Amino acid sequence: SAVISQKPSRDICQRGTSLTIQCQVDSQVTMMFWYRQQPGQSLTLIATANQGSEATYESGFVIDKFPISRPNLTFSTLTVSNMSPEDSSIYLCSVEEDEGAYGYTFGSGTRLTVV
Amino acid sequence: QKEVEQNSGPLSVPEGAIASLNCTYSDRGSQSFFWYRQYSGKSPELIMSIYSNGDKEDGRFTAQLNKASQYVSLLIRDSQPSDSATYLCAPRGSNYKLTFGKGTLLTVNP
Repeated sequence: SAVISQKPSRDICQRGTSLTIQCQVDSQVTMMFWYRQQPGQSLTLIATANQGSEATYESGFVIDKFPISRPNLTFSTLTVSNMSPEDSSIYLCSVEEDEGAYGYTFGSGTRLTVV
Repeated sequence: QKEVEQNSGPLSVPEGAIASLNCTYSDRGSQSFFWYRQYSGKSPELIMSIYSNGDKEDGRFTAQLNKASQYVSLLIRDSQPSDSATYLCAPRGSNYKLTFGKGTLLTVNP
């Protein structure tokens, strides 16, 4: 399965600032996914990132708040903009294995605390 | 709204017992189903996948799928303390995306 390096692993940020999270995959993948896991909750899909096109956002998530870049088939970034304490969550990137038929692999996650 | 419901936990079983985790889903177009294990503070790890009705066994884990009932389950035999984690059910829906249940926290007591 793919190996995903995600960084930073954790950060504490001031409200009103922005944080960019990076995900590097050891193989080329068509789609990358960004999830949020709020404290005590399950995973919620933020957006799907395809190389060479704009990310597709799920209901409740907007590009101005969560801009995503996907410059090539092995790398993506998610920025959490103008942060508030409600953005305190774990953010995870994920890639699909064999076009999703065999599951999805997750990065190690970024634990974000906004103060 | 595609929904995934899992049996509410926490579920506590003694070491060596069978742990049974259940999941129902609303998207009838779902064709692939995944079980993830998530240890506290860690990211989800894929432990089982199932695509056809019936049972699929892998070591101590057995996944069961009934598409007509929109039901999928995971059995863990000979439960070990190291199995203590949150288990997440995730169907891959008709939109080709994973939808996660809220998870069931399993505790295996030595």
